[in-house]
Amino acid sequence: AQKITQTQPGMFVQEKEAVTLDCTYDTSDPSYGLFWYKQPSSGEMIFLIYQGSYDQQNATEGRYSLNFQKARKSANLVISASQLGDSAMYFCAMREGWGASKIIFGSGTRLSIRP
Amino acid sequence: EAGVTQFPSHSVIEKGQTVTLRCDPISGHDNLYWYRRVMGKEIKFLLHFVKESKQDESGMPNNRFLAERTGGTYSTLKVQPAELEDSGVYFCASSPGPRTNGYTFGSGTRLTVV
Repeated sequence: AQKITQTQPGMFVQEKEAVTLDCTYDTSDPSYGLFWYKQPSSGEMIFLIYQGSYDQQNATEGRYSLNFQKARKSANLVISASQLGDSAMYFCAMREGWGASKIIFGSGTRLSIRP
Repeated sequence: EAGVTQFPSHSVIEKGQTVTLRCDPISGHDNLYWYRRVMGKEIKFLLHFVKESKQDESGMPNNRFLAERTGGTYSTLKVQPAELEDSGVYFCASSPGPRTNGYTFGSGTRLTVV
């Protein structure tokens, strides 16, 4: 069964606008972590933001914030004031449990920023 | 601190040949992971080392793939013999230990089997 679902294969956004990338997850483990990674055209995987399942507040890192809705099992990434350099693939990922077990990825969303 | 390093960055081989990919994790990271992304599809987990031991190899596709991490430092992933469907980008990641939110990825090796 799909554990991480990203329903937006591609998105176009005007520069300086905010954008929300959707991610839903499925797990029965009460302890889990949620991640967002960015993959630009150069290919490297860049860590953006992390949310633990017991964290009370939504995670924020600069222009990135994670809209964590635990009851709905969603972990949407919000990018404020988008920039041309934000054009990339974005992957949502999850780790089940508190250990260092593997993380599993969604299918990704290709974000394109229009000037 | 040096990041996760992967060699080579690109490899083009013929079907039936052997290729060995290498990953150097961040120094001191006990956990090392291999992933691959085939044909622009999802990033799939291959296996997880804790030091030199295979903690989880549930994602290894078949016995043509062999991963090692002798001494608990760098790791190699050998594909022998390579098939066309093995083409893709192979990523390595490392993390320091339990209760971590720090998984650092390498830049990947793009493997093309022709």
